[in-house]
Amino acid sequence: EVQLVESGGGLVKPGGSLRLSCAASGFTFSSSDMNWVRQAPGKGLEWVSSISSSNIYIKYADSVKGRFTISRDNAKNSLYLQMNSLRAEDTAVYYCARGFGSGYCDYWGQGTLVTVSS
Amino acid sequence: DIQMTQSPSSVSASVGDRVTITCRASQGIDNWLAWYQQKPGKAPKVLIYAASSLQSGVPSRFSGSGSGTDFTLTITSLQPEDFATYYCQQANSFPFTFGPGTKVDIK
Repeated sequence: EVQLVESGGGLVKPGGSLRLSCAASGFTFSSSDMNWVRQAPGKGLEWVSSISSSNIYIKYADSVKGRFTISRDNAKNSLYLQMNSLRAEDTAVYYCARGFGSGYCDYWGQGTLVTVSS
Repeated sequence: DIQMTQSPSSVSASVGDRVTITCRASQGIDNWLAWYQQKPGKAPKVLIYAASSLQSGVPSRFSGSGSGTDFTLTITSLQPEDFATYYCQQANSFPFTFGPGTKVDIK
C-alpha cells in the first residue's frame, strides 16, 4: 500500500524557517517524481515544487522561489521541503504527492499544517 | 504562467443529477489536464488525467473531455459521496497551476 506521511509542520514566526519531511513507502520511491502542494485555510490548491526521480529537474512556484528548497533522499525514501524566510502568506496545509504521467499527482499524504504568525 | 479558470464556482445538485464542470486554460495545453476531488479535511484524489483518462478505481460515472483550452468534467447520476470540491490542474508546463475549484453541494 502506498503511503506518504508528512511531518515537520508547526507554528513559526515570520522570517523563520521550517523543514518538512515526507516519508514514502509501498512503492519505488527512487523511480518517482515528487511534489509539494499547499492549501491555505479555506482556499484552493497551489502547486509549490516538484523534483524528478533522479534530481534531473527541480521546479518552484514563483511565490516560493529563492526561499524554499526541495530535496530528496532516495536511500531513505524521503522527500523534504526546506522553507526559509517564511511569511504569513505561507500559512497552509502542505501536502506531499507522488507524481505520475509527467505532471499529475496520484497519491497524497494527509498534509502537515504550517502556521506563520507572530 | 498558464491561468486556469473554472465554472461554476459552486453548484447545488440532487442525488441522481448530471453535473458538468468546465475548466478553461489561458493558453493551449493539449490534453495535459487532470481533475481532482477533495472532501473537507482530506487530501485531493485524482479522478481524471490526460483530460479524459479515468484513474484506476474511480467510478465510471466520472468522465472528462476536452483539449486545447476548454475541458469538462461530467458526473452522471450524482451519488451522496460525490459532494465535494473539484479542481482542474494543468500539467502542460511549469509552474503547474490549479483552477480555483468548484464546490458541489446538496440542493
